[in-house]
Amino acid sequence: DSGVTQTPKHLITATGQRVTLRCSPRSGDLSVYWYQQSLDQGLQFLIQYYNGEERAKGNILERFSAQQFPDLHSELNLSSLELGDSALYFCASSGRGGTGPYEQYFGPGTRLTVT
Amino acid sequence: DAKTTQPTSMDCAEGRAANLPCNHSTISGNEYVYWYRQIHSQGPQYIIHGLKNNETNEMASLIITEDRKSSTLILPHATLRDTAVYYCIVRAGRIQGAQKLVFGQGTRLTINP
Repeated sequence: DSGVTQTPKHLITATGQRVTLRCSPRSGDLSVYWYQQSLDQGLQFLIQYYNGEERAKGNILERFSAQQFPDLHSELNLSSLELGDSALYFCASSGRGGTGPYEQYFGPGTRLTVT
Repeated sequence: DAKTTQPTSMDCAEGRAANLPCNHSTISGNEYVYWYRQIHSQGPQYIIHGLKNNETNEMASLIITEDRKSSTLILPHATLRDTAVYYCIVRAGRIQGAQKLVFGQGTRLTINP
């Protein structure tokens, strides 16, 4: 158990819909990362938040957005869903302070299926 | 971040040591070598990391060559539960707040009974 929790575990929705994925980081971790894993793309970094602020952006579509709340949990919002958005979405957390290096601990993921 | 090269797949007998190589010839002085693994569709699991010295923890050992251009992850007594995709990632370690991981294709390690 990494200490990172993600809900829901599975999500099935239709094209054009909007969903929200939730992540709770390990206690004390300040950074939250979102990754997408699809069959043809492998694990891809989407976005990072550090202590409530966006810190780095990867290949995140404009239809996707995220935020980190004051209690450090994070949500990834996916809108106008397309079939190609079907994937595993992982959240990771890191950084309890100190000088690093900062390994990341991953949650169990949310499997999104768009029909 | 430096690019890494790993074999696509490897096999190992249960109970034997599994040695997974990784080439990172363009690594720079402040970059660490990290290893993660992903068992089936579970979340990637952190294994170990190192800068230039060899490292060992309860899961594995990491051997980094003196020129730091390659490394080997060693699972000393592989079990069937070690069957997974293993990722070698090179990145700067001591940067808080900007630390995305760039995953390559990794090595699919199969432990055979």
